Amino acid sequence: SQKIEQNSEALNIQEGKTATLTCNYTNYSPAYLQWYRQDPGRGPVFLLLIRENEKEKRKERLKVTFDTTLKQSLFHITASQPADSATYLCARGRASGGSYIPTFGRGTSLIVHP
Amino acid sequence: DGGITQSPKYLFRKEGQNVTLSCEQNLNHDAMYWYRQDPGQGLRLIYYSQIVNDFQKGDIAEGYSVSREKKESFPLTVTSAQKNPTAFYLCASSIHLFGTGSSYEQYFGPGTRLTVT
Repeated sequence: SQKIEQNSEALNIQEGKTATLTCNYTNYSPAYLQWYRQDPGRGPVFLLLIRENEKEKRKERLKVTFDTTLKQSLFHITASQPADSATYLCARGRASGGSYIPTFGRGTSLIVHP
Repeated sequence: DGGITQSPKYLFRKEGQNVTLSCEQNLNHDAMYWYRQDPGQGLRLIYYSQIVNDFQKGDIAEGYSVSREKKESFPLTVTSAQKNPTAFYLCASSIHLFGTGSSYEQYFGPGTRLTVT
């Protein structure tokens, strides 16, 4: 099956450090992966998309990598701030009954301490 | 302001009652989705729709029903057959459904927290 796995343990880091979150996938490599941020009690917000043929994508303090050998995507937040504290979700497309639907990981909670 | 609205934000029902959750979008998106989220869990897909008058079951459709009579609207009914209906429900939309060669970001609504006692 085509699954997405994210570390369920919360990541605690100090303000100013770089946070690195991991998304592992099973089965064949998806054509792309998406990353979302979710704050408590709210809907997720799209952050970044990286395609299979892109090794790295950046947006301001965010960086995403895609390693098809390791079947893994890493999500980095540099110079982290307490406002970055949230749950970060990884998503891939999954073939299902002739359609191609999104499937999400459980998300990893990031806590940035001042 | 473009976006997705869900109402109500909190909903309380007695066991055995059907309840309908509202989802409206003014983004002119073709695809719409319903997810369920339980504490500490990821998003699980209930139903999705690629176009008007068409919808497909997701991973956990049992006990739920949907309709897509208008492009902007995709209401979800939680029926009495759903064994554990208490959860946070999220509606989302994207320009099109995910494709093998393309990916479309999803826009999520604020969610409805349903409590059934």
